[in-house]
Amino acid sequence: GQNIDQPTEMTATEGAIVQINCTYQTSGFNGLFWYQQHAGEAPTFLSYNVLDGLEEKGRFSSFLSRSKGYSYLLLKELQMKDSASYLCAVTASGGSYIPTFGRGTSLIVHP
Amino acid sequence: GAVVSQHPSWVICKSGTSVKIECRSLDFQATTMFWYRQFPKQSLMLMATSNEGSKATYEQGVEKDKFLINHASLTLSTLTVTSAHPEDSSFYICSASQGAGYTEAFFGQGTRLTVV
Repeated sequence: GQNIDQPTEMTATEGAIVQINCTYQTSGFNGLFWYQQHAGEAPTFLSYNVLDGLEEKGRFSSFLSRSKGYSYLLLKELQMKDSASYLCAVTASGGSYIPTFGRGTSLIVHP
Repeated sequence: GAVVSQHPSWVICKSGTSVKIECRSLDFQATTMFWYRQFPKQSLMLMATSNEGSKATYEQGVEKDKFLINHASLTLSTLTVTSAHPEDSSFYICSASQGAGYTEAFFGQGTRLTVV
């Protein structure tokens, strides 16, 4: 099975930088996703990491360390619209590409 | 990215009735579709995985006779909640994938089901 852990809630100030951590234990590893989900809406894809290192995409970056079972999502130049839930999801090896989701981190950005 | 359309966005139904939710991939062929349920402030819980033309695979604890899934074509999957009860009230989300080997699955807009 898979176990995914991320903080429940974080707050940050507009214009600042925030890092959302995700740790996981899985029998086999096939990739890690980050999704953004606004209240009452479906998740939208942010990033996918399968190799160690940092993937940068505009204001958002995602980091993966497979040996540590650890990832983080870095959000720069925070905007009010970044207030949302951020979901970490892991896919296991063994032929299944179905992601297992963490509980999500609710990020509140205030002025 | 690819577009997945889910309908309806919200529905209110009486206890004991059935509700059908549709999930369509608009610009790609979805070999595999996933159905999730999400309770407030909870994670997405996978209910079932369906492959076109075959029976759905349900996760442990999900009643297949209550949550009927049909994936008759490469662009359409439906979830029917039969004899709905208030405890079935939830946010239901589908996602579609082109199949094994494709890393990304695309989500529909979700359906807010309220059973009264």
